[in-house]
Amino acid sequence: EDQVTQSPEALRLQEGESSSLNCSYTVSGLRGLFWYRQDPGKGPEFLFTLYSAGEEKEKERLKATLTKKESFLHITAPKPEDSATYLCAVQAYGQNFVFGPGTRLSVLP
Amino acid sequence: EAGVVQSPRYKIIEKKQPVAFWCNPISGHNTLYWYRQNLGQGPELLIRYENEEAVDDSQLPKDRFSAERLKGVDSTLKIQPAELGDSAVYLCASSPRTGAGANVLTFGAGSRLTVL
Repeated sequence: EDQVTQSPEALRLQEGESSSLNCSYTVSGLRGLFWYRQDPGKGPEFLFTLYSAGEEKEKERLKATLTKKESFLHITAPKPEDSATYLCAVQAYGQNFVFGPGTRLSVLP
Repeated sequence: EAGVVQSPRYKIIEKKQPVAFWCNPISGHNTLYWYRQNLGQGPELLIRYENEEAVDDSQLPKDRFSAERLKGVDSTLKIQPAELGDSAVYLCASSPRTGAGANVLTFGAGSRLTVL
């Protein structure tokens, strides 16, 4: 059974304090690993897709990396507007997406 | 272009009452998903449609939940009767069936259900 866990459950950072969020997964035949951002009262918003170990994607202050067992979302010099819940999801070939529980990030000014 | 539209945004009902949620996906997106998201958890799939066909409803509690996607566009998710444990946010998402965006979900804002 495909599984996704995320850590930490919640993270509080000062503005400018860089950190990383972890997504650990177990899947048979990874088609893709996905990162989404979810703001309160809204649906998840797509950030990145990673397909193979060693791949990296960047967008503004965010960089996602992938290994065979986990993915990291690195946040460099975060700003208060980066505060959100970050969700990780995996998809095996021929299967549906499986989402993790998310990491709630708070960036304090 | 409008995104995925859901209504109502909020619904409060008493247990044993019926409730329905509506979703209008992005134009041209063949695949439509209904997810349920409990507080502090990630979305969990209820049902997936390819056009008007439900291709995966294995996680849909069929004794009380039903869904339809007439003409392969809009979709409705119904719960009858609602139970206390059904309180959650119901998310609709869509994606194109093929092409570069085929594995990218676009979500609506969700319908928050509270069952008293």
